Amino acid sequence: EAQVTQNPRYLITVTGKKLTVTCSQNMNHEYMSWYRQDPGLGLRQIYYSMNVEVTDKGDVPEGYKVSRKEKRNFPLILESPSPNQTSLYFCASSPGQGFPEAFFGQGTRLTVV
Amino acid sequence: ELKVEQNPLFLSMQEGKNYTIYCDYSTTSDRLYWYRQDPGKSLESLFVLLSNGAVKQEGRLMASLDTKARLSTLHITAAVHDLSATYFCAVRDDKIIFGKGTRLHILP
Repeated sequence: EAQVTQNPRYLITVTGKKLTVTCSQNMNHEYMSWYRQDPGLGLRQIYYSMNVEVTDKGDVPEGYKVSRKEKRNFPLILESPSPNQTSLYFCASSPGQGFPEAFFGQGTRLTVV
Repeated sequence: ELKVEQNPLFLSMQEGKNYTIYCDYSTTSDRLYWYRQDPGKSLESLFVLLSNGAVKQEGRLMASLDTKARLSTLHITAAVHDLSATYFCAVRDDKIIFGKGTRLHILP
């Protein structure tokens, strides 16, 4: 089954404690991206990757890092989380940049206290 | 800066009625997408519109794109309760920008 898998689904952490949210897709998609969703703000793109070893900033990259060492994985790293990063995060993938984000993960609800 | 504005942001309507959600954007992009999100769920791709005048229909939903006016519409015909959800439009320039979403509530 074609899917984008995020882990964990829920996470509560403390300010400053490094964390990683994993994202994996099984469709051999070249393009992957991360979004955060906040009430009243819709989805905002954090980072995207057009292929292995190619990443670029989206609209709200501050406080986040990503890596794309393999085609299927695109982890989101918060080196020093802060409460303003409390949000619902989605990973997405598509065959290429010209295509829509066809597949979204189930989301990770992160709370930073 | 690419901006995508949807309206209305909230819509409560009766079953059986017709209504239209509007998506205005500020770029010359001809790639526009519509998504649906149910409460507590992820996003589901509904329509991909890739050229001026493109029209796509699926059931009671029809999406259209006017690139000259930089406007897309999502039309709901004879609404049913199952269509209650939040609908997002998104435009791709070099990045993809989502609108804030339209929360649609259809009353039985």
